[in-house]
Amino acid sequence: GAGVSQSPSNKVTEKGKDVELRCDPISGHTALYWYRQSLGQGLEFLIYFQGNSAPDKSGLPSDRFSAERTGGSVSTLTIQRTQQEDSAVYLCASSLYAGETQYFGPGTRLLVL
Amino acid sequence: KNQVEQSPQSLIILEGKNCTLQCNYTVSPFSNLRWYKQDTGRGPVSLTIMTFSENTKSNGRYTATLDADTKQSSLHITASQLSDSASYICVVPNQAGTALIFGKGTTLSVSS
Repeated sequence: GAGVSQSPSNKVTEKGKDVELRCDPISGHTALYWYRQSLGQGLEFLIYFQGNSAPDKSGLPSDRFSAERTGGSVSTLTIQRTQQEDSAVYLCASSLYAGETQYFGPGTRLLVL
Repeated sequence: KNQVEQSPQSLIILEGKNCTLQCNYTVSPFSNLRWYKQDTGRGPVSLTIMTFSENTKSNGRYTATLDADTKQSSLHITASQLSDSASYICVVPNQAGTALIFGKGTTLSVSS
């Protein structure tokens, strides 16, 4: 596609429910990143995929968060047993290779009630 | 302590005026520094990337400077326009080069 797309654009869920956020990176980009942006805060790195290598999960805040990237393309970020503090904008970015300019999607705005 | 600090936190200027945004970083070793613009409700968009050897780089009305010795960068916006209203974020790769460390950004509001 022309750019990084994310779905849904907005998600409202109840505390304790699981949510799945999807990211479609730019075709051919080998690196994919997930970030979280809370209100008034900078972007917080969550997880990074590079090709077929094991992902860098060092930014995931708890074991309730997980992500996978199937076929080296689409990625899904899953948050289990959501908490109110999980409310944020979740941004996905991709780059041709690691260290190259990252192109961001529009984000998914998650609200946990 | 944040590894990327930006100032001011927010700024309001009149259309047509110039402004300068500041970024201090502590990440080492340093490879590059990027400035991103994030419009409300959108993902960040890269404005410029500066490497260790570059002191100044321009992109239209945006001019970024870098002093690798003092670990400071600035973004100067000339003849501001209403469309410049956005958050400007300074970004430096982490030590491993696998992810980016984002400053909290400077929120710029340009009014007519």
